[in-house]
Amino acid sequence: DIQMTQSPSFLSASVGDRVTINCKASQNINRYLNWYQQKLGEAPKLLIYNANSLQTGIPSRFSGSGSGTDFTLTISSLQPEDVATYFCLQHNSWPFTFGSGTKLEIK
Amino acid sequence: EVQLVETGGGLVQPGRSLKLSCVASGFTFNNYWMSWTRQAPGKGLEWVASITNSGGSTYYPDSVKGRFTISRDNAQNTLYLQMNSLRSEDTATYYCTRHLYFDYWGQGVMVTVSS
Repeated sequence: DIQMTQSPSFLSASVGDRVTINCKASQNINRYLNWYQQKLGEAPKLLIYNANSLQTGIPSRFSGSGSGTDFTLTISSLQPEDVATYFCLQHNSWPFTFGSGTKLEIK
Repeated sequence: EVQLVETGGGLVQPGRSLKLSCVASGFTFNNYWMSWTRQAPGKGLEWVASITNSGGSTYYPDSVKGRFTISRDNAQNTLYLQMNSLRSEDTATYYCTRHLYFDYWGQGVMVTVSS
């Protein structure tokens, strides 16, 4: 199985900061990597698919990059409504596997 | 508007069975693969099962293979998850998801396995 190592597990930043979250795959997953946002008590929401494609309706301050084994989610200017846990998902090969999550809070 | 509504959760004893349902609306159900994903309390996400749009092929991780069965009724726009031989580690919120990039998720249904 492909292991997804996500870092950091916890992140505290100020409004307006640039924030980056990383996912590292244990083997090559090409660009088959998605990013999700999960707010407390809600279902996950797709932000980015296939490493760098922004899902419809998601603000442009969210972006994704990477390929192969190393991927990054960037929030260009952190907003209060971005408080959430963020997960990555590899869908390159079965079984699909998620990262362990990054909990993001406002400083 | 895409909607996925799960039902069928609850408290069940170890070793017993439970069947979840997910009614889909707002898209052409029989055009899409579908999946179930779960999240144990306070934990991360785990993919549980996927099914092709026709229902002809299914996929599972080893953790549920042989115990869980995913199925669908395209005439009723409904996805199912039959869960047998339940264990305490199956306790989680179960989400119905559209498989295309896991782009839409239901609100989730809680399954608690406990004596």
